[in-house]
Amino acid sequence: QLHLQESGPGLVKPSETLSLTCTVSGGSISSGSYYWGWIRQPPGKGLEWIGSIYYSGRTYYNPSLKNRVTISVDTSKDQFSLKLSSVTAADTAVYYCARIPAGSSGSCDYWGQGTLVTVSS
Amino acid sequence: QSVLTQPPSVSAAPGQRVTISCSGSSSNIGNNYVFWYQQLPGTAPKLLIYDNNKRPSGIPDRFSGSKSGTSATLGITGLQTGDEADYYCGTWDSSLSAVVFGGGTKLTVL
Repeated sequence: QLHLQESGPGLVKPSETLSLTCTVSGGSISSGSYYWGWIRQPPGKGLEWIGSIYYSGRTYYNPSLKNRVTISVDTSKDQFSLKLSSVTAADTAVYYCARIPAGSSGSCDYWGQGTLVTVSS
Repeated sequence: QSVLTQPPSVSAAPGQRVTISCSGSSSNIGNNYVFWYQQLPGTAPKLLIYDNNKRPSGIPDRFSGSKSGTSATLGITGLQTGDEADYYCGTWDSSLSAVVFGGGTKLTVL
């Protein structure tokens, strides 16, 4: 059974960089059949797609976050990571990592449990 | 302001049928597959429908999806109290080159 687990600091100071890692187990991130993505949800609000990456390194980013986001992949560790720079309180959210079947329109069939990241001094 | 438009809330009695609408445009719903998530309180979203009308393994046939033009609909029959959740539609937007979501619909089973 595929399992995804987010990890990283739960508290980030304003103007700093948020860094999260998603570890995939029970399957290989190098499978050509899937992309791997990040989605966030501010408290009490809806879902926002951050971006996704293919095992080759090909990335897609939300245009509204593109200037601040970097998603990378480490196939040797079956991990992919998110970096979001210059954070503000508006970036406080639950951050989810997920698997996206290739050829879908972005639907995620497996999700991590999510991790709350709070931006505060 | 979400790219896709959903009603904020819907409600129905146990055993009844409810539909949730999702409206978009030609750059998203009109030319791409639609998917639907169910999010129970405090949990990660769960894929209910993908490719407009397909159900992942384990999703009961009480849940159905359809698409017509630039709108999509999620249908739930035989409502149960356990169906109380937030429901989100989503798809790829070819103009934005991004995945877009609706704002979510809260289902209350009265």
